[in-house]
Amino acid sequence: GDSVTQTEGLVTLTEGLPVMLNCTYQTIYSNPFLFWYVQHLNESPRLLLKSFTDNKRTEHQGFHATLHKSSSSFHLQKSSAQLSDSALYYCALSGGQGGRALIFGTGTTVSVSP
Amino acid sequence: EAAVTQSPRNKVTVTGGNVTLSCRQTNSHNYMYWYRQDTGHGLRLIHYSYGAGNLQIGDVPDGYKATRTTQEDFFLLLELASPSQTSLYFCASSDGDWGPGQLYFGEGSKLTVL
Repeated sequence: GDSVTQTEGLVTLTEGLPVMLNCTYQTIYSNPFLFWYVQHLNESPRLLLKSFTDNKRTEHQGFHATLHKSSSSFHLQKSSAQLSDSALYYCALSGGQGGRALIFGTGTTVSVSP
Repeated sequence: EAAVTQSPRNKVTVTGGNVTLSCRQTNSHNYMYWYRQDTGHGLRLIHYSYGAGNLQIGDVPDGYKATRTTQEDFFLLLELASPSQTSLYFCASSDGDWGPGQLYFGEGSKLTVL
């Protein structure tokens, strides 16, 4: 079945440094939809980024990601981390249209310190 | 902004107890989902639904039943609760227009099974 792999469980960094969170996926579908969700402490997950276009950079709120179907990857990046970026980040996959349920990775906790 | 409300927000029960978690969405979304969130496992799909009377099995369905009575209401039932079902449960809805659409999550229901 479909799966999403996030290799880092915890990323700790200093404010102002760049952030990169890894996400790779496996799916039988040729046109997957990829997502990043962010969950701050004591809140619900909310959508950060989404993409289904190969090799096209998607940006939102200072974060960006590019779907690379050749490597089945959708890494999340930000050039300069802020304290408010401390949160749990989920990469998620859907195989296609029509309400097909999202499959989430195990999540990466980002902790940004001054 | 989609509105998804869950109840109860906190529930404590004993092993073998009967629990019903409720979810209501008020944005006329067709798709609704139940996930559980556990450290190290991320968000895992239990059941989901395409509309009233429809039910689809997710990735971790054992020990759970679900019922979609109306477009707005989706219930998760634990008929013989076990300690392994202690978790934070999220309901979500989507319109499904963009792949699975953007998921809108409820506030979460924290369940403790003693």
